[in-house]
Amino acid sequence: EPEVTQTPSHQVTQMGQEVILRCVPISNHLYFYWYRQILGQKVEFLVSFYNNEISEKSEIFDDQFSVERPDGSNFTLKIRSTKLEDSAMYFCASSKRQGNQPQHFGDGTRLSIL
Amino acid sequence: EDQVTQSPEALRLQEGESSSLNCSYTVSGLRGLFWYRQDPGKGPEFLFTLYSAGEEKEKERLKATLTKKESFLHITAPKPEDSATYLCAVRSSMEYGNKLVFGAGTILRVKS
Repeated sequence: EPEVTQTPSHQVTQMGQEVILRCVPISNHLYFYWYRQILGQKVEFLVSFYNNEISEKSEIFDDQFSVERPDGSNFTLKIRSTKLEDSAMYFCASSKRQGNQPQHFGDGTRLSIL
Repeated sequence: EDQVTQSPEALRLQEGESSSLNCSYTVSGLRGLFWYRQDPGKGPEFLFTLYSAGEEKEKERLKATLTKKESFLHITAPKPEDSATYLCAVRSSMEYGNKLVFGAGTILRVKS
């Protein structure tokens, strides 16, 4: 069964450094998302992306964050200048279309900011 | 603001002991309620989508139901492999995009 894949599984970065998290969504899916889960807290929406542009973003997704679909298969989340509070699991998800289609999640990247 | 509350926070069952998990929600028009299973260190795994009150979905030992204010995930004769965190999420009709709002989850432990 097709799945969403994320790399790396664990990323350790010094505070203030830039980090790029990578995702390969399911191949026939058109909508892409990033969520994060701080340890012990709820899964939180960051951003949704369709047709090469952001369709919705949360208050968390400020100017330090950006997303990109650099080619036909990858979807990336960039954090420009990381802060300690950015430490979390970051999940990529994709869905076939809008509406009530389920979002399918990858296994996440654990981001640790030192 | 959309809100999702799940109860109990944790549930311990003996193998074969059936029970239910609750998901209460407050949204401005429901466009879908989703149940996911999450194993430690993994991403949420999709289980069910429910759209309207009265709807039911089943998969193996799991059955999800929906009313206008809450959803239940019924687990019949659970096995140890059903141990996981079960997440409920909603999508609101007031939102343009596909944003899901998640509850905190119920941690289920099934002992043999």
